[in-house]
Amino acid sequence: AQSVTQPDIHITVSEGASLELRCNYSYGATPYLFWYVQSPGQGLQLLLKYFSGDTLVQGIKGFEAEFKRSQSSFNLRKPSVHWSDAAEYFCAVGASGGYQKVTFGIGTKLQVIP
Amino acid sequence: GAGVSQSPRYKVAKRGQDVALRCDPISGHVSLFWYQQALGQGPEFLTYFQNEAQLDKSGLPSDRFFAERPEGSVSTLKIQRTQQEDSAVYLCASSLKGQEAFFGQGTRLTVV
Repeated sequence: AQSVTQPDIHITVSEGASLELRCNYSYGATPYLFWYVQSPGQGLQLLLKYFSGDTLVQGIKGFEAEFKRSQSSFNLRKPSVHWSDAAEYFCAVGASGGYQKVTFGIGTKLQVIP
Repeated sequence: GAGVSQSPRYKVAKRGQDVALRCDPISGHVSLFWYQQALGQGPEFLTYFQNEAQLDKSGLPSDRFFAERPEGSVSTLKIQRTQQEDSAVYLCASSLKGQEAFFGQGTRLTVV
């Protein structure tokens, strides 16, 4: 069965600092990997996805993530965090077919301090 | 509408009561998904429709949960005889076939 581990429940960073959110997955075949962001009272929004090809993927809002098969990881990064990035971030893995039956991690809540 | 619309946004139910949660997907989206998000957890898959066909219902936690999409557009998630453990946010998402899924804001169900 597929699963996702997000080891950091809460992270606090200063505005302008760099950010890395960790994600490890478990899946038998080539995974479909996603990062979503959820702001209070808002629906989940897709930041980026990896299906195949280049292992460094660019997303919206200046985020990027790198797929490392050897480490079963798909960490999310941003070089300079803005106060508006404060939200909860979910890593997710999907079976073949991509968006069907996606398994989400527990989420990492990001706090940004001035 | 422009996005996925869910109603009601908030629902308080007494234990044992039946509830119905509605999802209006983006027009033209053939795929529709329901997820359950308990407090402090990530969303968990419940069920998936392609048009009116329910292709996967493996995530429904018990036979008290039932979902339908009779005309391949609006979907309803019904929970019978609600219990406290059913308290959660229920998320609906829709997509074109094989494309990005767009999520609604969810319905927060509280069972008292």
